[in-house]
Amino acid sequence: AQKVTQAQTEISVVEKEDVTLDCVYETRDTTYYLFWYKQPPSGELVFLIRRNSFDEQNEISGRYSWNFQKSTSSFNFTITASQVVDSAVYFCALSASNTGANNLFFGTGTRLTVIP
Amino acid sequence: DTGVSQDPRHKITKRGQNVTFRCDPISEHNRLYWYRQTLGQGPEFLTYFQNEAQLEKSRLLSDRFSAERPKGSFSTLEIQRTEQGDSAMYLCASSLGVRMNTEAFFGQGTRLTVV
Repeated sequence: AQKVTQAQTEISVVEKEDVTLDCVYETRDTTYYLFWYKQPPSGELVFLIRRNSFDEQNEISGRYSWNFQKSTSSFNFTITASQVVDSAVYFCALSASNTGANNLFFGTGTRLTVIP
Repeated sequence: DTGVSQDPRHKITKRGQNVTFRCDPISEHNRLYWYRQTLGQGPEFLTYFQNEAQLEKSRLLSDRFSAERPKGSFSTLEIQRTEQGDSAMYLCASSLGVRMNTEAFFGQGTRLTVV
């Protein structure tokens, strides 16, 4: 079975602080993909990143960085120098080859509030 | 074409009525997905099309739900005899390619309220 756990329901930070959103996943598949999506108040899910299970290199994109560790089944997301526009719900998701590989299993999301 | 478009954005219906939602994917995207999202939860997969073929259906998709994608372009999701438990945001997404797990682009959703 596939499972994604985002233990942090809500996080509040003051603008310019760094914040890390945790994601822990479970799958028996050796080939899988991990995603992060952002859902602002408008409701539209915005794709942020996709990683496959064979690529454990960390990635940085501007103020965003991702730490993928297979040993702990985690795919954490860090926002550096947070801004008010970062306020949204962030979802971690998993897609695995044994599920049909065409659908995403989402966590319950972490609501991030950045206080000016 | 700026993205996935869904219509209507909001729908209020009485219990027992039928409703139909429409999704227009990004042009040339061959894959189309429907998800359902309830308050405080992540989206849950409902069904998936590759071109006009419906290739996967979740167990969440009861007999009252039906989806189509004629000609592999837009898609419709119909819910018959709506129940209060159907109240949710219905999200459509599309993606391009034959490889698995290319990123999906989501629409803004249709929020259904069953009263």
